[in-house]
Amino acid sequence: GAVVSQHPSWVICKSGTSVKIECRSLDFQATTMFWYRQFPKQSLMLMATSNEGSKATYEQGVEKDKFLINHASLTLSTLTVTSAHPEDSSFYICSLKVRDRGTYEQYFGPGTRLTVT
Amino acid sequence: GQNIDQPTEMTATEGAIVQINCTYQTSGFNGLFWYQQHAGEAPTFLSYNVLDGLEEKGRFSSFLSRSKGYSYLLLKELQMKDSASYLCAVMGGGSYIPTFGRGTSLIVHP
Repeated sequence: GAVVSQHPSWVICKSGTSVKIECRSLDFQATTMFWYRQFPKQSLMLMATSNEGSKATYEQGVEKDKFLINHASLTLSTLTVTSAHPEDSSFYICSLKVRDRGTYEQYFGPGTRLTVT
Repeated sequence: GQNIDQPTEMTATEGAIVQINCTYQTSGFNGLFWYQQHAGEAPTFLSYNVLDGLEEKGRFSSFLSRSKGYSYLLLKELQMKDSASYLCAVMGGGSYIPTFGRGTSLIVHP
């Protein structure tokens, strides 16, 4: 079954509005979750690392005031795209990484496709 | 950062074997992942290698050579549903956060 859920799976919004995307860890207590963005036919680009109970760590070039991340519990991280513009239209995916007996597995949510008109 | 290189596109025939290569340059290597991603969907985990050698999982195998900065994903008995993008991701630079390559689009034809 799914390890990570995301909501909504797709959203269309008008330019200038804000959109909140939820990412839930279903099977693990996630102190750390990751937010990625993927443009068509391109690879996943890490936007930020979400840390439970503290501030997110943003990658270079990602505006923290535009992409607000809140990780208030061990099972929920949210990404809010504020004042969205058409260039923010993308596929947003969250993930968590689990270490089990010396090996890692990374689980991705199903993604949220954002279209800004 | 990690320089990750993989072919952009490959084609293969149903029932055949295909090998997708990934080369990388990094210090502080902490492991390499392979993912499968179908169009419009999130990636799904295929394998994780941190030690040299071959890891086999059913029709899929992954190989790693740390000294050469090289990995490959081997897909056997190809099926049409294997048509997808295959992403190589490296944890390096002392970090445990994967950096993704651009992906290899595999097209399987009858």
